[in-house]
Amino acid sequence: QKEVEQNSGPLSVPEGAIASLNCTYSDRVSQSFFWYRQYSGKSPELIMSIYSNGDKEDGRFTAQLNKASQYVSLLIRDSQPSDSATYLCAVNPLSSASKIIFGSGTRLSIRP
Amino acid sequence: GAGVSQSPRYKVAKRGQDVALRCDPISGHVSLFWYQQALGQGPEFLTYFQNEAQLDKSGLPSDRFFAERPEGSVSTLKIQRTQQEDSAVYLCASSLATGAREAFFGQGTRLTVV
Repeated sequence: QKEVEQNSGPLSVPEGAIASLNCTYSDRVSQSFFWYRQYSGKSPELIMSIYSNGDKEDGRFTAQLNKASQYVSLLIRDSQPSDSATYLCAVNPLSSASKIIFGSGTRLSIRP
Repeated sequence: GAGVSQSPRYKVAKRGQDVALRCDPISGHVSLFWYQQALGQGPEFLTYFQNEAQLDKSGLPSDRFFAERPEGSVSTLKIQRTQQEDSAVYLCASSLATGAREAFFGQGTRLTVV
């Protein structure tokens, strides 16, 4: 089992709709969770971090964390074509506090 | 500088050649990470520095890979006797805090071994 799992996509969402990206992780005692956006040919860009159960909102982005289910998600409201990118879920496991472990990413495409 | 700076942006090496990749982290950032990213994959952890101390090198794929950060700022990732499977984008990230809190990435070095 991979430490961080994501559906590779592509996930196609119409412009203006809500895009929902999901991620599961295997280390139950993980403490920190991140979503990075990566445009083609560019480096990952941190867009959200979340550390406690529940929702965290920042503009059009909402991160949701459920530690009991070992599940973290990212919602993007009012999706724009500029949101088309690969979204990487990342976890900082307590067992390896110096690492951030990344999933393989979900490719999101916003169609006009 | 304002962000993490990596050089060179692109490197083509002949198989068997040694390469050195440089990372200049955000000023004052304690933590520095090196990652390797293959096409279509997420970044894979290579090594972690806290200031000048290399606290985790568990991700380095072989003893051909070596990293250093002698003064706790600039870091160099060296790959000896490059192989074709070393072709990837090498990403450096830095973080203000110790451990792995929010980390900010440089633009990466794309290494192609021919």
